[in-house]
Amino acid sequence: AQSVTQLDSQVPVFEEAPVELRCNYSSSVSVYLFWYVQYPNQGLQLLLKYLSGSTLVKGINGFEAEFNKSQTSFHLRKPSVHISDTAEYFCAVTPRGTGNQFYFGTGTSLTVIP
Amino acid sequence: NAGVTQTPKFRILKIGQSMTLQCAQDMNHNYMYWYRQDPGMGLKLIYYSVGAGITDKGEVPNGYNVSRSTTEDFPLRLELAAPSQTSVYFCASMEAGAGGQPQHFGDGTRLSIL
Repeated sequence: AQSVTQLDSQVPVFEEAPVELRCNYSSSVSVYLFWYVQYPNQGLQLLLKYLSGSTLVKGINGFEAEFNKSQTSFHLRKPSVHISDTAEYFCAVTPRGTGNQFYFGTGTSLTVIP
Repeated sequence: NAGVTQTPKFRILKIGQSMTLQCAQDMNHNYMYWYRQDPGMGLKLIYYSVGAGITDKGEVPNGYNVSRSTTEDFPLRLELAAPSQTSVYFCASMEAGAGGQPQHFGDGTRLSIL
């Protein structure tokens, strides 16, 4: 079975400051990892994904995430946030080989303060 | 390119009424999903389909039904609406493949049962 834990439900940060949104997962099999962003009254949009290879992956809007297998983590980072980054962020995993079901975390609400 | 289209966007139902939430995708994706999103709970999988004529239960299927007669459409049926079904419902689709494909989401249907 798979599970995803997002350690912070709410993260306030000042504009132009760096931010890290934490994600840990538990799985008995290897997984693919994803980060999605949800803006108000919209569906989820893909930010980035880790499939294999380099453990540092870059996504849209200046976000990046690092896969740490030993710590089973996939934290999302941005060096300098903008007001427009205010949104809900979801971490998700899907098992390798049978990747037709996704398991989502409960989300982290990022609020960028002017 | 429309992607995943959900209708209606908003709906208020009375207890005991029934309705169908519509979902259509124009990307020729084999996999389609229905989730519900409740505050602080992330996304819970209701039903999914791996192709026309094939559906399967997710984590929270009780009170819902689905059908998949075509690749494009995946409607979700509520037969006897209950207050516990007040939620935001998201439909998603995904391309079949070796794994690692992301899900594509609609903008959601906001449903209130009163």
